[in-house]
Amino acid sequence: GESVGLHLPTLSVQEGDNSIINCAYSNSASDYFIWYKQESGKGPQFIIDIRSNMDKRQGQRVTVLLNKTVKHLSLQIAATQPGDSAVYFCAEKRGGGNKLTFGTGTQLKVEL
Amino acid sequence: EPEVTQTPSHQVTQMGQEVILRCVPISNHLYFYWYRQILGQKVEFLVSFYNNEISEKSEIFDDQFSVERPDGSNFTLKIRSTKLEDSAMYFCASRPSGGTDTQYFGPGTRLTVL
Repeated sequence: GESVGLHLPTLSVQEGDNSIINCAYSNSASDYFIWYKQESGKGPQFIIDIRSNMDKRQGQRVTVLLNKTVKHLSLQIAATQPGDSAVYFCAEKRGGGNKLTFGTGTQLKVEL
Repeated sequence: EPEVTQTPSHQVTQMGQEVILRCVPISNHLYFYWYRQILGQKVEFLVSFYNNEISEKSEIFDDQFSVERPDGSNFTLKIRSTKLEDSAMYFCASRPSGGTDTQYFGPGTRLTVL
């Protein structure tokens, strides 16, 4: 069926290391992907997005990679900081659609 | 930086009661959404709204739910007769017209149905 899923429910990294959070999707009709960060008790906060006609996009300390061949999306966070600790969700939008379909989330824990 | 705001932050209600959750989207945005997140689960789409009408809704969004944009700034979600399983965080989101699919989320309203 159509789904967006995350490989790892929890990721622990040392402060200063790079983090990689992965996401799989199954619908080849998806044309837009987005990563959100959600801190406890707060709403999803936009991090970075990418369209299906791209395979890489960079922001400040974050990079999103899209591999359409294997339907895989990843979020890379450089020099991870304690403030990066949160749940990270990937979400996708199907072409011509309006809604976002979210994955189950990955808890990122940054250890000092 | 403009933000989506939501009120109240926490709503407690008795089963069978009506609740109205309120949102103020970002001022120049034209597309509005409601999502919900049951504790420990992923965020689920409920409904999208554009040009004063529903553009898409999920199977969750049954006849007990309705949305309204009563004025130029507010966007509301009404649940007519709440059930225990309606307990969740409800998030409002908005996005501008054309050129971007980025949806910006509010802080959420925690709805507890007793």
